[in-house]
Amino acid sequence: DQQVKQNSPSLSVQEGRISILNCDYTNSMFDYFLWYKKYPAEGPTFLISISSIKDKNEDGRFTVFLNKSAKHLSLHIVPSQPGDSAVYFCAASGEGSNSGYALNFGKGTSLLVTP
Amino acid sequence: DTAVSQTPKYLVTQMGNDKSIKCEQNLGHDTMYWYKQDSKKFLKIMFSYNNKELIINETVPNRFSPKSPDKAHLNLHINSLELGDSAVYFCASSQESKGGRGSYGYTFGSGTRLTVV
Repeated sequence: DQQVKQNSPSLSVQEGRISILNCDYTNSMFDYFLWYKKYPAEGPTFLISISSIKDKNEDGRFTVFLNKSAKHLSLHIVPSQPGDSAVYFCAASGEGSNSGYALNFGKGTSLLVTP
Repeated sequence: DTAVSQTPKYLVTQMGNDKSIKCEQNLGHDTMYWYKQDSKKFLKIMFSYNNKELIINETVPNRFSPKSPDKAHLNLHINSLELGDSAVYFCASSQESKGGRGSYGYTFGSGTRLTVV
């Protein structure tokens, strides 16, 4: 039962443009959301997070938006750089979810930023 | 000076064998996890330990047994390996059992690619 869904397996964006990665979740108990970035043969690394009490969190070129009513979040990368090319995982956790506070991950979106 | 280190990085073994994957973290975190990334790229929680105590045990075959000798180590032992166990296994740690809320979430190891032939 997949509670975090990333419906776009891949995305290609030109350098300098905006990359928008989307994520949907089904469990209304989730109240903390994170994005991870993963390069081949490496583990996921933390990128940015947002609590459900906020609807936006910004860190440099990365901004995460949360729409609780739609159970949707998105990651914006502006401007996109070739080094951003990686797989991006959306993750969520919350009290009362299936695995307590364990992070539930989506399947990831592979971002390719072309020069 | 790796924060979360897993060994081995690659493991190829025959069906029916027993194997172990080791994980160590030097971050002083209280909680450690094992995740499995299957062929569909889905990262799924298997186990979680907080200060050597098992706090999450998802629906995983009992051929999989985690062992935590101390809070810096969480090893995964797998008995009677099957073809379907082939996957990448990630170890992770976080500051406390609440998923690292308010901090940086989890710190992951680089993964162990297990291939059962």
